[in-house]
Amino acid sequence: GIQVEQSPPDLILQEGANSTLRCNFSDSVNNLQWFHQNPWGQLINLFYIPSGTKQNGRLSATTVATERYSLLYISSSQTTDSGVYFCAGNGNSWDYKLSFGAGTTVTVRA
Amino acid sequence: AAGVIQSPRHLIKEKRETATLKCYPIPRHDTVYWYQQGPGQDPQFLISFYEKMQSDKGSIPDRFSAQQFSDYHSELNMSSLELGDSALYFCASSLGTEVRGTEAFFGQGTRLTVV
Repeated sequence: GIQVEQSPPDLILQEGANSTLRCNFSDSVNNLQWFHQNPWGQLINLFYIPSGTKQNGRLSATTVATERYSLLYISSSQTTDSGVYFCAGNGNSWDYKLSFGAGTTVTVRA
Repeated sequence: AAGVIQSPRHLIKEKRETATLKCYPIPRHDTVYWYQQGPGQDPQFLISFYEKMQSDKGSIPDRFSAQQFSDYHSELNMSSLELGDSALYFCASSLGTEVRGTEAFFGQGTRLTVV
């Protein structure tokens, strides 16, 4: 599978702050997803975004497939945004398995 | 909307015992994946099935086996359990296509503790 690098590894935010998380891929991706893992361990789908830009409330994501990276934006952060954010992608056709990055641990302080 | 269902949610086993984890994919999804996530780690791919056939294999120990049944549910069988097998086990499902994979959805996971 492809190699996925996420940065930064840790992020501490004050409530209300904005932030950007980055994900770099070693190869072209057919599928790219962002997840939020909550304190109970549940992996929640945030975005399915092989290319382009999407927005969902205070979160938005952009994938530039030709340059092999994706960005996740968190605006007006809230304490409930705390957790680990993973990006994951797969490569060639029929390589459906997602390879995960190491994650970014986000802590939002009140 | 229906989600991926995993059972049990929690499991405690002793060393050398056997465990079976079950996964029920989203209706009409034909692809199932199993992942293992150790403490502080990212999910690691174990094995996947497409249309009831094994489609890919990752770092799955020989002590583990899995299959996908005719109703598309999947089971992960783990034998001779070791302390290091303690982890969160996820199942995910998606709809396979010829061109690209589609969005994968994860179950809530089974937390396995080996004592």
